[in-house]
Order: sequence, then structure tokens, then C-alpha cells
Amino acid sequence: EADIYQTPRYLVIGTGKKITLECSQTMGHDKMYWYQQDPGMELHLIHYSYGVNSTEKGDLSSESTVSRIRTEHFPLTLESARPSHTSQYLCASSAGYEKLFFGSGTQLSVL
Amino acid sequence: GQQLNQSPQSMFIQEGEDVSMNCTSSSIFNTWLWYKQDPGEGPVLLIALYKAGELTSNGRLTAQFGITRKDSFLNISASIPSDVGIYFCAVQSGSARQLTFGSGTQLTVLP
Repeated sequence: EADIYQTPRYLVIGTGKKITLECSQTMGHDKMYWYQQDPGMELHLIHYSYGVNSTEKGDLSSESTVSRIRTEHFPLTLESARPSHTSQYLCASSAGYEKLFFGSGTQLSVL
Repeated sequence: GQQLNQSPQSMFIQEGEDVSMNCTSSSIFNTWLWYKQDPGEGPVLLIALYKAGELTSNGRLTAQFGITRKDSFLNISASIPSDVGIYFCAVQSGSARQLTFGSGTQLTVLP
């Protein structure tokens, strides 16, 4: 019943395209996260934000960038997509540090 | 980053059977978490453990925080088809207390 939304759900694009994955939450959470997950594998933190105008890189190096201009919105951008970016991208938000609410994810395929 | 080892990697069980899985690390952590990911969705928090030796239940699920603070166990009793999914352990790590996830245990429940 978490109110966190990701769009698109699926995206197939060609190499070199610029893409933005959208993530919005209506819970007023200060903390938001982006995780990358290959099928059936562990989640890797690529970006997080603990408040507006504050973003940090996660443990997994990523060529993507993020912005946090509004509390409820945390988009992720790839300036030039490559096949190695093919993966599932999961957005999450939280009030504390333990209970993260995840969106349904965006499955990205770069041809 | 910190590495969490989950075992088994996958399990196939009959409906009604009990299930046990564990998560170990070479480092000490003060909080252990268990998440479940249904197919095509983001993970959902099942149980949070905050004290070494703590045993916590959530319905048919029971989790324990190892006394060494380097491991945790999750048990599911009387499994049902909706228990199918990937179970991840997670710990807080780093100065920003971000979550690190384990490699997951894929559970399949056979009718």
C-alpha cells in the first residue's frame, strides 16, 4: 500500500539515447534511494538523497545522475544509454533508515 | 562494500513445509532486516531486528539476530503458495546508514 510510483514500468531504447526514469512518492519522506538490480540478484545502491538539494552516490558506481528539487520527486537520468545499462532500477523512500518503501521498478533494456 | 552471504541460494519446497534460511557476514552489525520481493515488484520489509539474540515473529515468519551480531536467520512455518519470492537480508552500513542487501534466497513453493 506504499504510495511510491515509478514510470515507465518498461523501457526499450537504442544506444546513445538520453533517458529519465521518474520516481515520485506521496508520503512526505525525506529519504529517497535508487537501487539497481539484475534479475534475481542483490540490490545495489547507486544514489540516495536525505533531503531536497542533497544527493549522494551509493556503493555501486553508476554513470547515471539524479536530482532532488522537490521532496516528492527523485528522477534518475542517463545522458547516453549503453547496453551495459540494461537492468532493473528500483526507487525507494523512507522516513527512517530501516523501512524502505519500494516502487515496482523500471525494467530498462538498451539495444 | 560489506558482503552478506545468504544461503541457500534457492529452495524448492512442498506446500505446508517449514523453511529456514540464513545470512552471514564477516562484520558486526547492530541492525538486521529481512525483506521479501514478489515477482515483478519491489522488496517489502518483513522483520527488523535490533538486539543481539533477539527473536521476532511476524505471523508465520520468525527471525533471529545472531548473538555474534554477524548473522541472522529467517524461518517460515507451514509454507503457502504466496510465500514464493526472493528473501533478502539487509544491514545498515556506512556513515549514512544506508542499507546493504544480501544476495537473496529464491523460494519456490510446490503445490
